[in-house]
Amino acid sequence: KQEVTQIPAALSVPEGENLVLNCSFTDSAIYNLQWFRQDPGKGLTSLLLIQSSQREQTSGRLNASLDKSSGRSTLYIAASQPGDSATYLCAVNSNYGQNFVFGPGTRLSVLP
Amino acid sequence: DGGITQSPKYLFRKEGQNVTLSCEQNLNHDAMYWYRQDPGQGLRLIYYSQIVNDFQKGDIAEGYSVSREKKESFPLTVTSAQKNPTAFYLCASSMKTNEQFFGPGTRLTVL
Repeated sequence: KQEVTQIPAALSVPEGENLVLNCSFTDSAIYNLQWFRQDPGKGLTSLLLIQSSQREQTSGRLNASLDKSSGRSTLYIAASQPGDSATYLCAVNSNYGQNFVFGPGTRLSVLP
Repeated sequence: DGGITQSPKYLFRKEGQNVTLSCEQNLNHDAMYWYRQDPGQGLRLIYYSQIVNDFQKGDIAEGYSVSREKKESFPLTVTSAQKNPTAFYLCASSMKTNEQFFGPGTRLTVL
């Protein structure tokens, strides 16, 4: 059974820092991996989707990488801003769209 | 304006009462999903549907029921058999292995 973990559980950084969030999964036979952002009391906003054949995806200040063989993905946030404060979740699709398994999330605080 | 809508935003249930959460999408997505989110935990899959008139149980389906009579709609009923229903419920849709999109969520509280 696929299991997804995220480290750290919480992170606090000063504004302007570059930071890395980690996502690990136990079964490398995945179709894709998706990173989300969730603000308190809100739904999830999709940030980046990486297909299993890709190594990375970029959107603005965000860069997500995927290493299937080691069961890891990282989300890199450049020049962090207070508006980036949120919980970041990764989800792994390992059964052709039938089941996305989510990690518990990393709660990020960017201090002005 | 394309997207996923959920209603109501807040819902209160008395003991022994069934309640239904609405989820509608106009993205023309085939697949729809219901998740439950509890504080400090990741999302857990309740039910999912790949096509109209077909749906499958997720990891925590006990005490819940769904229907998929239309492509755009995937309502979730929380029955009295669900002993601990207080949670944040999230609906999502996708085109098979492609990107998942989420609605704003419904917060259910048992009185």
